[in-house]
Amino acid sequence: DTEVTQTPKHLVMGMTNKKSLKCEQHMGHRAMYWYKQKAKKPPELMFVYSYEKLSINESVPSRFSPECPNSSLLNLHLHALQPEDSALYLCASSQKPGDRGGNEQFFGPGTRLTVL
Amino acid sequence: AQTVTQSQPEMSVQEAETVTLSCTYDTSESDYYLFWYKQPPSRQMILVIRQEAYKQQNATENRFSVNFQKAAKSFSLKISDSQLGDAAMYFCAYSPLGYGNKLVFGAGTILRVKS
Repeated sequence: DTEVTQTPKHLVMGMTNKKSLKCEQHMGHRAMYWYKQKAKKPPELMFVYSYEKLSINESVPSRFSPECPNSSLLNLHLHALQPEDSALYLCASSQKPGDRGGNEQFFGPGTRLTVL
Repeated sequence: AQTVTQSQPEMSVQEAETVTLSCTYDTSESDYYLFWYKQPPSRQMILVIRQEAYKQQNATENRFSVNFQKAAKSFSLKISDSQLGDAAMYFCAYSPLGYGNKLVFGAGTILRVKS
């Protein structure tokens, strides 16, 4: 299994809703990432989990809450979002421990989020 | 801080021709990784090619090759025999060594392929 899966593919939510995005990989990777991507722009890093611990938080607003329940699963909990949070949310994973893979990241297909 | 610059917002190439996408970067590190990623419209981002800075030999993957000039901090991507399926946004990215480090992306180049 060499892929990263994300659910749902599309999500529409109101500003008062609570929703979650899910990401899963079964490649034995121990680093997982959340990115936000606006149209025709590069991905912007939000969070990095390394060995299931949050290692990087790029000053993301608290209305985004990441969670890594186990080494294969990464969630992003959403609450009280703003319309400007509408974007493609990408999950990625990288490297097996001890593998000089150069931090090559494998991306999922993304969740397209619309906040009304 | 490391930065990556892609100076060509858009490029066009005729089918079967060759095109080169430019990328420059800035870092004070001596060992690092460079990548080219491809993102077709409304589709998944995939890795095209990877270069390890300590290797002098340029990486090649089928029709894709790079020209890595470490002293000049330049990392261009050459696509030979361009195909319609090559049409996409191409991102150049830098990564320092170490596990779970962030990728630093360039702004991207939209490649259009004409039939």
